[in-house]
Amino acid sequence: EPEVTQTPSHQVTQMGQEVILRCVPISNHLYFYWYRQILGQKVEFLVSFYNNEISEKSEIFDDQFSVERPDGSNFTLKIRSTKLEDSAMYFCASTWGNTGELFFGEGSRLTVL
Amino acid sequence: KNEVEQSPQNLTAQEGEFITINCSYSVGISALHWLQQHPGGGIVSLFMLSSGKKKHGRLIATINIQEKHSSLHITASHPRDSAVYICAVNRGASKLTFGTGTRLQVTL
Repeated sequence: EPEVTQTPSHQVTQMGQEVILRCVPISNHLYFYWYRQILGQKVEFLVSFYNNEISEKSEIFDDQFSVERPDGSNFTLKIRSTKLEDSAMYFCASTWGNTGELFFGEGSRLTVL
Repeated sequence: KNEVEQSPQNLTAQEGEFITINCSYSVGISALHWLQQHPGGGIVSLFMLSSGKKKHGRLIATINIQEKHSSLHITASHPRDSAVYICAVNRGASKLTFGTGTRLQVTL
Protein backbone atom coordinates (compact mmCIF):
# COMPACT_ATOMS: atom_id res chain seq x y z
CA GLU A 1 0.00 0.00 0.00
CA PRO A 2 1.40 3.44 -0.88
CA GLU A 3 2.54 5.51 2.08
CA VAL A 4 3.92 8.87 3.04
CA THR A 5 7.48 8.60 4.34
CA GLN A 6 9.26 11.09 6.55
CA THR A 7 12.89 11.53 7.52
CA PRO A 8 14.44 11.82 9.99
CA SER A 9 12.24 10.08 12.54
CA HIS A 10 13.97 12.00 15.33
CA GLN A 11 16.32 14.97 15.24
CA VAL A 12 18.00 16.72 18.12
CA THR A 13 19.40 20.17 17.41
CA GLN A 14 20.75 23.20 19.21
CA MET A 15 18.73 26.38 19.41
CA GLY A 16 19.50 28.67 16.47
CA GLN A 17 20.41 25.85 14.08
CA GLU A 18 18.67 25.23 10.78
CA VAL A 19 16.64 22.06 10.41
CA ILE A 20 15.21 20.44 7.29
CA LEU A 21 12.50 17.81 7.62
CA ARG A 22 11.86 15.69 4.57
CA CYS A 23 8.74 14.00 3.28
CA VAL A 24 8.00 11.82 0.27
CA PRO A 25 4.25 12.06 -0.38
CA ILE A 26 2.25 9.42 -2.23
CA SER A 27 3.17 9.69 -5.89
CA ASN A 28 -0.14 10.71 -7.51
CA HIS A 29 -1.14 13.11 -4.75
CA LEU A 30 -1.41 16.80 -5.52
CA TYR A 31 -1.94 18.49 -2.14
CA PHE A 32 0.69 18.47 0.58
CA TYR A 33 0.58 19.58 4.18
CA TRP A 34 2.71 20.03 7.25
CA TYR A 35 1.18 19.76 10.69
CA ARG A 36 2.82 19.83 14.08
CA GLN A 37 1.97 18.48 17.51
CA ILE A 38 3.63 19.85 20.61
CA LEU A 39 3.87 17.18 23.29
CA GLY A 40 0.54 16.79 25.09
CA GLN A 41 -1.29 19.17 22.76
CA LYS A 42 -3.51 18.80 19.73
CA VAL A 43 -2.29 18.63 16.16
CA GLU A 44 -2.04 22.06 14.51
CA PHE A 45 -2.01 23.04 10.86
CA LEU A 46 1.15 24.72 9.59
CA VAL A 47 0.95 24.99 5.81
CA SER A 48 -0.65 23.56 2.69
CA PHE A 49 1.04 23.37 -0.70
CA TYR A 50 -0.46 22.87 -4.15
CA ASN A 51 0.78 23.47 -7.67
CA ASN A 52 4.25 24.38 -6.42
CA GLU A 53 3.11 27.14 -4.12
CA ILE A 54 1.75 27.68 -0.65
CA SER A 55 -2.06 27.67 -0.73
CA GLU A 56 -2.63 28.42 2.95
CA LYS A 57 -0.54 28.94 6.06
CA SER A 58 -1.25 29.41 9.75
CA GLU A 59 -0.02 32.18 12.01
CA ILE A 60 2.50 29.67 13.38
CA PHE A 61 4.16 29.51 9.94
CA ASP A 62 6.22 32.67 10.26
CA ASP A 63 9.32 33.80 8.38
CA GLN A 64 11.43 31.15 10.13
CA PHE A 65 9.57 28.44 8.23
CA SER A 66 9.68 27.60 4.54
CA VAL A 67 8.52 24.71 2.37
CA GLU A 68 9.79 23.45 -0.92
CA ARG A 69 9.16 20.70 -3.43
CA PRO A 70 12.57 20.70 -5.05
CA ASP A 71 12.40 17.68 -7.32
CA GLY A 72 8.78 16.62 -7.82
CA SER A 73 8.92 13.91 -5.18
CA ASN A 74 10.34 15.34 -1.94
CA PHE A 75 8.44 17.92 0.10
CA THR A 76 10.56 19.66 2.71
CA LEU A 77 9.95 21.85 5.73
CA LYS A 78 12.82 24.11 6.73
CA ILE A 79 13.10 25.89 10.03
CA ARG A 80 15.73 28.55 9.60
CA SER A 81 16.75 29.25 13.20
CA THR A 82 15.18 26.84 15.64
CA LYS A 83 13.74 27.94 18.98
CA LEU A 84 13.00 25.84 22.03
CA GLU A 85 9.28 26.12 21.31
CA ASP A 86 9.77 24.46 17.91
CA SER A 87 10.22 21.15 19.72
CA ALA A 88 7.34 19.04 18.49
CA MET A 89 6.34 16.14 16.27
CA TYR A 90 6.02 17.31 12.68
CA PHE A 91 3.67 15.41 10.39
CA CYS A 92 3.62 15.51 6.63
CA ALA A 93 0.36 14.58 4.88
CA SER A 94 -0.82 14.33 1.31
CA THR A 95 -4.04 13.82 -0.62
CA TRP A 96 -5.12 13.63 -4.25
CA GLY A 97 -7.89 16.22 -3.86
CA ASN A 98 -8.25 19.13 -1.50
CA THR A 99 -11.11 17.49 0.41
CA GLY A 100 -9.95 13.92 -0.01
CA GLU A 101 -8.75 11.45 2.56
CA LEU A 102 -5.47 12.53 4.09
CA PHE A 103 -2.53 10.17 4.33
CA PHE A 104 -0.07 10.97 7.10
CA GLY A 105 3.56 10.11 7.53
CA GLU A 106 4.86 8.61 10.78
CA GLY A 107 6.14 12.00 11.91
CA SER A 108 9.51 13.57 12.62
CA ARG A 109 10.19 14.34 16.24
CA LEU A 110 12.24 17.53 16.62
CA THR A 111 13.92 18.28 19.91
CA VAL A 112 15.53 21.71 20.28
CA LEU A 113 18.00 22.09 23.16
CA LYS B 1 -13.88 27.83 22.66
CA ASN B 2 -12.40 25.07 20.51
CA GLU B 3 -14.01 24.63 17.12
CA VAL B 4 -13.84 20.84 17.58
CA GLU B 5 -14.69 19.28 20.95
CA GLN B 6 -14.33 15.63 21.80
CA SER B 7 -15.62 13.57 24.70
CA PRO B 8 -14.58 11.83 26.73
CA GLN B 9 -10.94 12.92 26.99
CA ASN B 10 -9.95 9.58 28.47
CA LEU B 11 -11.71 6.26 28.31
CA THR B 12 -10.89 2.90 29.86
CA ALA B 13 -12.80 -0.17 28.74
CA GLN B 14 -12.60 -3.90 29.21
CA GLU B 15 -12.01 -6.14 26.25
CA GLY B 16 -15.24 -6.84 24.42
CA GLU B 17 -17.02 -3.65 25.44
CA PHE B 18 -18.82 -1.39 22.98
CA ILE B 19 -17.15 2.02 22.88
CA THR B 20 -18.47 5.39 21.74
CA ILE B 21 -16.40 8.53 21.25
CA ASN B 22 -18.18 11.78 20.49
CA CYS B 23 -17.19 14.84 18.48
CA SER B 24 -19.01 18.17 18.25
CA TYR B 25 -18.03 21.05 16.04
CA SER B 26 -19.17 24.63 15.89
CA VAL B 27 -18.46 25.60 12.28
CA GLY B 28 -19.72 24.64 8.85
CA ILE B 29 -17.69 21.79 7.42
CA SER B 30 -17.22 19.99 4.14
CA ALA B 31 -16.00 16.76 5.75
CA LEU B 32 -15.16 15.22 9.10
CA HIS B 33 -12.27 12.83 9.69
CA TRP B 34 -11.69 10.25 12.36
CA LEU B 35 -8.00 9.50 12.90
CA GLN B 36 -6.11 7.08 15.11
CA GLN B 37 -2.81 8.06 16.69
CA HIS B 38 -0.62 5.17 17.80
CA PRO B 39 1.44 5.26 21.00
CA GLY B 40 4.53 5.86 18.85
CA GLY B 41 2.90 9.01 17.43
CA GLY B 42 1.96 7.97 13.89
CA ILE B 43 -1.48 9.01 12.59
CA VAL B 44 -3.74 6.80 10.50
CA SER B 45 -6.93 7.93 8.79
CA LEU B 46 -9.93 5.80 9.79
CA PHE B 47 -12.86 7.54 8.14
CA MET B 48 -13.77 10.59 6.15
CA LEU B 49 -17.48 11.50 6.34
CA SER B 50 -19.67 14.19 4.92
CA SER B 51 -23.00 12.53 5.70
CA GLY B 52 -24.59 9.38 7.09
CA LYS B 53 -22.62 6.43 8.32
CA LYS B 54 -19.55 4.39 7.38
CA LYS B 55 -18.39 1.00 8.64
CA HIS B 56 -15.01 -0.66 8.45
CA GLY B 57 -14.58 -3.90 10.35
CA ARG B 58 -15.43 -3.25 13.99
CA LEU B 59 -15.43 0.51 13.54
CA ILE B 60 -18.50 2.57 12.72
CA ALA B 61 -18.61 6.33 12.21
CA THR B 62 -21.75 8.43 12.01
CA ILE B 63 -22.35 12.10 11.42
CA ASN B 64 -25.37 14.35 11.92
CA ILE B 65 -24.77 17.51 9.94
CA GLN B 66 -27.78 19.36 11.42
CA GLU B 67 -26.65 18.62 14.97
CA LYS B 68 -22.95 19.25 14.10
CA HIS B 69 -22.08 15.98 15.81
CA SER B 70 -20.26 12.78 14.96
CA SER B 71 -19.64 9.54 16.81
CA LEU B 72 -17.05 6.82 16.45
CA HIS B 73 -18.09 3.40 17.71
CA ILE B 74 -15.87 0.39 18.31
CA THR B 75 -17.64 -2.93 18.69
CA ALA B 76 -16.06 -5.84 20.59
CA SER B 77 -13.10 -3.72 21.69
CA HIS B 78 -9.66 -5.27 21.94
CA PRO B 79 -6.43 -4.17 23.66
CA ARG B 80 -4.93 -3.44 20.23
CA ASP B 81 -7.58 -0.70 19.84
CA SER B 82 -5.77 1.26 22.58
CA ALA B 83 -4.74 4.55 20.99
CA VAL B 84 -5.72 8.21 20.80
CA TYR B 85 -8.72 8.81 18.53
CA ILE B 86 -8.88 12.23 16.96
CA CYS B 87 -11.74 14.02 15.26
CA ALA B 88 -10.79 16.66 12.67
CA VAL B 89 -12.83 18.77 10.26
CA ASN B 90 -12.34 20.28 6.82
CA ARG B 91 -13.78 23.75 6.40
CA GLY B 92 -14.31 24.05 2.66
CA ALA B 93 -10.95 22.82 1.59
CA SER B 94 -7.36 22.29 2.48
CA LYS B 95 -6.43 22.30 6.14
CA LEU B 96 -7.86 20.19 8.95
CA THR B 97 -8.83 21.58 12.34
CA PHE B 98 -8.22 18.97 15.02
CA GLY B 99 -9.89 18.06 18.27
CA THR B 100 -7.80 17.32 21.33
CA GLY B 101 -8.28 13.57 21.02
CA THR B 102 -9.72 10.79 23.17
CA ARG B 103 -7.23 8.48 24.81
CA LEU B 104 -8.63 4.93 24.82
CA GLN B 105 -7.20 2.14 26.93
CA VAL B 106 -8.70 -1.32 26.49
CA THR B 107 -7.74 -3.83 29.17
CA LEU B 108 -7.98 -7.61 29.26
